[in-house]
Amino acid sequence: AQSVTQLDSHVSVSEGTPVLLRCNYSSSYSPSLFWYVQHPNKGLQLLLKYTSAATLVKGINGFEAEFKKSETSFHLTKPSAHMSDAAEYFCVVSEYSGGGADGLTFGKGTHLIIQP
Amino acid sequence: DGGITQSPKYLFRKEGQNVTLSCEQNLNHDAMYWYRQDPGQGLRLIYYSQIVNDFQKGDIAEGYSVSREKKESFPLTVTSAQKNPTAFYLCASSMSGTGYGELFFGEGSRLTVL
Repeated sequence: AQSVTQLDSHVSVSEGTPVLLRCNYSSSYSPSLFWYVQHPNKGLQLLLKYTSAATLVKGINGFEAEFKKSETSFHLTKPSAHMSDAAEYFCVVSEYSGGGADGLTFGKGTHLIIQP
Repeated sequence: DGGITQSPKYLFRKEGQNVTLSCEQNLNHDAMYWYRQDPGQGLRLIYYSQIVNDFQKGDIAEGYSVSREKKESFPLTVTSAQKNPTAFYLCASSMSGTGYGELFFGEGSRLTVL
């Protein structure tokens, strides 16, 4: 069975400083991993995805994530936070690399707060 | 523009009433999904459909029903049997068999039971 743990429910950073959102996963197979972002009262939007190609994945809005198999981690980073980054972020794992979204497991989310 | 449209955005219901949430997509995606979101709980899968006239239960299907009569439409009915229906409901779609789990979401419907 697969699972995903987002290690922080809330993260607060100042504008212009780096962002780190932590995600650990558990999977019996080679997983696919995703980060989604959700702004208040909106749907989710895909930020980036890892599907067994390059371990460092670049996404939209300057975000990137590194797949570390030895640490079973897929942390999300951004060099410099912007006020518009304030949102909820979800780490997602899938064991079915070619399948549909019925095989996805969502983390509980990390609320990112940006201080001016 | 292609996308997913959910309606209504806000809905209030009295206990004992059924309500239906609409979800329409023009992305030509085969697969569609309904998720429930509660604060601090992440997303939980209610139902999904990979083809017209077929659908499967997700992790929390009790008290819900769906239909998939058209490729573009996947309405969700929250029945009176659902014990705690107040939540944010999200509809999503994906390319069936591909896409590696990439979902496209609507903007959600917030249901409040009075």
